[in-house]
Amino acid sequence: GQNIDQPTEMTATEGAIVQINCTYQTSGFNGLFWYQQHAGEAPTFLSYNVLDGLEEKGRFSSFLSRSKGYSYLLLKELQMKDSASYLCAVRTMNTGFQKLVFGTGTRLLVSP
Amino acid sequence: ETGVTQSPTHLIKTRGQQVTLRCSSQSGHNTVSWYQQALGQGPQFIFQYYREEENGRGNFPPRFSGLQFPNYSSELNVNALELDDSALYLCASSNKDSSGSTEAFFGQGTRLTVV
Repeated sequence: GQNIDQPTEMTATEGAIVQINCTYQTSGFNGLFWYQQHAGEAPTFLSYNVLDGLEEKGRFSSFLSRSKGYSYLLLKELQMKDSASYLCAVRTMNTGFQKLVFGTGTRLLVSP
Repeated sequence: ETGVTQSPTHLIKTRGQQVTLRCSSQSGHNTVSWYQQALGQGPQFIFQYYREEENGRGNFPPRFSGLQFPNYSSELNVNALELDDSALYLCASSNKDSSGSTEAFFGQGTRLTVV
């Protein structure tokens, strides 16, 4: 089956660094995505990893280890606007089509 | 702005009724996927349409059906609505034929409430 685990909720302080972990067990792995979702809104793309290693994009970085089924999203210099849910999603490729399998999301609360 | 638009943005229906949700894909995209997101959960894959045909389906009953039109826009139809169908319905477009394609672009979603 497909299983993606991430913490339900995390808290951090403005200006700090936070790491959100994601572990997965899926078949047909074809890349891992991180999305940000504010309450009541659609997910917005943050990062994509298909090979092992670190991808850096401004204040956001994402890491992937395919052998360990593990990824993390690193957010630096936290701002109040970073309070949102962060979704880890694995793109799977099976029987000719690709789909995203999402975790339940990590709700991040940034306090002053 | 992703270029993917969904309508309506909010909808209230009564249990047992039928509903149609619409999605216009981003220009140049030929694949539309639909997801259901219940409150506090991650999105769940419903099905995908590619070149007007269902290309893959998740674990949803047959009362969830869809269409894709020649311009690649899509509809999601749900018959015999149940209370548990209350959720945010998300449409994502991508280009299945592009080897360089990575991310799927999501629309703003339709919030469906079944009472």
